[in-house]
Amino acid sequence: EDKVVQSPLSLVVHEGDTVTLNCSYEVTNFRSLLWYKQEKKAPTFLFMLTSSGIEKKSGRLSSILDKKELFSILNITATQTGDSAVYLCVLYNQGGKLIFGQGTELSVKP
Amino acid sequence: DTEVTQTPKHLVMGMTNKKSLKCEQHMGHRAMYWYKQKAKKPPELMFVYSYEKLSINESVPSRFSPECPNSSLLNLHLHALQPEDSALYLCASSRASGTNTGELFFGEGSRLTVL
Repeated sequence: EDKVVQSPLSLVVHEGDTVTLNCSYEVTNFRSLLWYKQEKKAPTFLFMLTSSGIEKKSGRLSSILDKKELFSILNITATQTGDSAVYLCVLYNQGGKLIFGQGTELSVKP
Repeated sequence: DTEVTQTPKHLVMGMTNKKSLKCEQHMGHRAMYWYKQKAKKPPELMFVYSYEKLSINESVPSRFSPECPNSSLLNLHLHALQPEDSALYLCASSRASGTNTGELFFGEGSRLTVL
């Protein structure tokens, strides 16, 4: 059965810290891996990863995929209070199904 | 601002009521989704429509009835709900399955409370 496991489940840091969120997965037929940020309401798209070793970057956020070891990480540098959210790792398989991880709840204190 | 619009944003209903949640997108996406999300949990898939046809029903109870009148609209009709159905209901859309990269565009959700 395809599954996604995120760690840690929750994390508290101070502004300016760097954080690394982890996502490991098991999949029969991989299509892509996506990261979303969810604040109070709708999840918003951050990254889509399909190839190993190619870092995707957007401002202070970056992500990379390792298809051999079956994991992805999301890095946030110089964290700000606005980064406080739940970060969801989502696996997309060849069957067209999206499998969500449990999410990592990040809290950034001033 | 999200390009997927959901109404109402909040809904309170009794167990005997009939109500509907509505979702609209104008991005030309041909796949639309209903998800249910409980507090501190990830979204759970309920239904998928592809080219206005129901393609996935994740064994959802019949008190939830989806409808896709056209490629831009998705409704979720609610009848005889239970208090445990209280949750955030998220609508999402994506490109059609053949070209889909998995990226979903979510609406802001309808927060449902069943009394």
